[in-house]
Amino acid sequence: AQKITQTQPGMFVQEKEAVTLDCTYDTSDQSYGLFWYKQPSSGEMIFLIYQGSYDEQNATEGRYSLNFQKARKSANLVISASQLGDSAMYFCAMRGTRGAQKLVFGQGTRLTINP
Amino acid sequence: EAGVVQSPRYKIIEKKQPVAFWCNPISGHNTLYWYLQNLGQGPELLIRYENEEAVDDSQLPKDRFSAERLKGVDSTLKIQPAELGDSAVYLCASSSGGPHGELFFGEGSRLTVL
Repeated sequence: AQKITQTQPGMFVQEKEAVTLDCTYDTSDQSYGLFWYKQPSSGEMIFLIYQGSYDEQNATEGRYSLNFQKARKSANLVISASQLGDSAMYFCAMRGTRGAQKLVFGQGTRLTINP
Repeated sequence: EAGVVQSPRYKIIEKKQPVAFWCNPISGHNTLYWYLQNLGQGPELLIRYENEEAVDDSQLPKDRFSAERLKGVDSTLKIQPAELGDSAVYLCASSSGGPHGELFFGEGSRLTVL
C-alpha cells in the first residue's frame, strides 16, 4: 500500500519569495509516480508536476520544481518567486505499479502568500 | 477542449433523503474516478471505472452508495439514504492513461446533509 505524508498543515510566505512544500511517501513498489496538485478555493484539483521514480533529473514546470530524493522517499515541491495567486491547498499524491491507475493523496498543505 | 464537468456544484438535503451526482469526463478518457474529499483532507478514492467496468470499488460503501457508467462515458454517483457524515465534496476525475497518467478533475459537488 502507498502512503503520502504532508507534515505542514499551513505555510505563510511573503510574495516573491520561494517556498518548499514537504512530502514524504512510503511504498514497496519499485516503479511509481509522484504528483503535485493545486486546489484553489474554487475546488478544482489542478495538476502541477510529475516525477517518475526512475527519472534521473528533478522535474520542472515553469516556477514549479520537484526536489526528488529517492533514498529519503521525499518529493518536495518548490515554488519560486511566489505570487498571490499561488495561495491554495497543495496535495502530494502517488501511484504505484499495482492498481496502477489509482492516485493516493496526502492531507495537503494550505499555502498563503502575503503581499 | 472541455474539462471534466460535474453537477450539481452544491446540494443541500436532509438526512435520509437520496442524492445523485453527475459527471461527464474529458472526451476520449476511458478511465473515470469518483473521489470523496472531507473538509481539510486529501481526496480518497471511492470507485474507478475502465470504460463501463468498475475495476476498483473496494472503498465504496455499498450499503448506501451506488455508481454507474453506462456506455462508458458519463457517470452517476448516488447516495440513498444520505447520512450526516456524508457531507463532503465529491470529486470526479478522468484520465487517458497518457505518459504520466495524470488525472484531470472537475470542480466537485459539495454535499451538505442537515
